[in-house]
Amino acid sequence: SSELTQDPAVSVALGQTVRITCQGDSLRRYYASWYQQKPGQAPVLVIYGKNNRPSGIPDRFSGSSSGNTASFTITGAQAEDEADYYCNSRDSSGNYYVFGTGTKVTVL
Amino acid sequence: QVQLAESGGGVVQPGRSLRLSCAASGFTFSRYDLHWVRQAPGRGLEWVAVISSNGANKYYTDSVKGRFTISSDYSKNTLYLQMNSLRAEDTAVYYCARDLETRYPGSYGYWGQGTLVTVSS
Repeated sequence: SSELTQDPAVSVALGQTVRITCQGDSLRRYYASWYQQKPGQAPVLVIYGKNNRPSGIPDRFSGSSSGNTASFTITGAQAEDEADYYCNSRDSSGNYYVFGTGTKVTVL
Repeated sequence: QVQLAESGGGVVQPGRSLRLSCAASGFTFSRYDLHWVRQAPGRGLEWVAVISSNGANKYYTDSVKGRFTISSDYSKNTLYLQMNSLRAEDTAVYYCARDLETRYPGSYGYWGQGTLVTVSS
């Protein structure tokens, strides 16, 4: 199995831009997906594939990837974006899956 | 619309067994890989297991190998997780999840509401 590492916490001023990263060897081969989770709720998929948003996800959310690092960006953060964010991907074998350690985003 | 509904959680003593169910509706059950994901209290998400769309392939995270078994009943459109030899560290909310699209494995666009498993004496 492999690991995906995220910064534990970041903060962003209302209306500003924040980027979260996810590092892992498997990301050289597979795209990461990104999830938003608010307290007491199931996770919600916000980014998948190269940079795809499911229906209903705001376009201020975007994703990118380079080498072993996937990035998730909120451009113009809103108060409702305050949540935990997780990346996930397959491991290097392609048969197993792994979540990142999670990043708590605080909107100031 | 796609719906996933877990059931079967509860309080169980260490070493005992429990079977979780996930009733699926709104899609062709046999077309999608299905996953179990768990979240311990105050902790992050942890992938647990996957079963391929045809049931032929099953993979597990290391910590549950040999103790948990994932299976599907295609006549009932239901996913299961048989959990044996439960440990305190298995305490978590367990979610079943489905890919948003088959061409993006591991992109869980659909989740159930979760079921809480508490392992305690």
